[in-house]
Amino acid sequence: EVQLVQSGAEVKKPGESLKISCKGSGYSFTSYWIGWVRQMPGKGLEWMGIIYPGDSDTRYSPSFQGQVTISADKSISTAYLQWSSLKASDTAMYYCVRLDSNWFPEGSFDYWGQGTLVTVSS
Amino acid sequence: QAVLTQPASLSASPGASASLTCTLRSGINVGTYRIYWYQQKPGSPPQYLLRYKSDSDKQQGSGVPSRFSGSKDASANAGILLISGLQSEDEADYYCMIWHSSASVFGGGTKLTVL
Repeated sequence: EVQLVQSGAEVKKPGESLKISCKGSGYSFTSYWIGWVRQMPGKGLEWMGIIYPGDSDTRYSPSFQGQVTISADKSISTAYLQWSSLKASDTAMYYCVRLDSNWFPEGSFDYWGQGTLVTVSS
Repeated sequence: QAVLTQPASLSASPGASASLTCTLRSGINVGTYRIYWYQQKPGSPPQYLLRYKSDSDKQQGSGVPSRFSGSKDASANAGILLISGLQSEDEADYYCMIWHSSASVFGGGTKLTVL
């Protein structure tokens, strides 16, 4: 069974750093792109970027380029999303997603993690 | 102007059909895109429903009932998610998505109320 299991909720202060994780299981982790999707409170879905764990090829949405860093450790089948300096506007639910296609940029996000709620407040 | 525009809300009765639209920005031709659809219920992550480009290029998500289907309205430059035989459990937010300029783009979502 394919599963994406994300790390738990975080409460941080503005200016702090953070790294959240997404562990894949039940499939070949290095053979599928893993992406991140943001959902701000009461709002819609926004694609942030994606990584191919097999070779660490990483692409970012122009809206998030320079704002976050996506990485992966294929030895433990885990992808990461990190911030160096959080802002209150980073408060959101973050989902990791698996892309069902090898042919980036194409394909559906066929599996979703359960979400990690990040709250940034002074 | 947003790349993808969805009506904010839609209401329909149980047993009826609902047609959810996803309009592409002028200059972006719906005929060249696969449109992906996702369903999100409160407190849960989104789930993939289906993709539609044409009758010969479409895919139903795993376990998704056949009463969910996709189509296009070329004259309106829009993708359509049709849900037939509406059930109370279909009440959810629905998002369309395309891959545009090597990036995934979501519509703003439609909240479907079944009453």
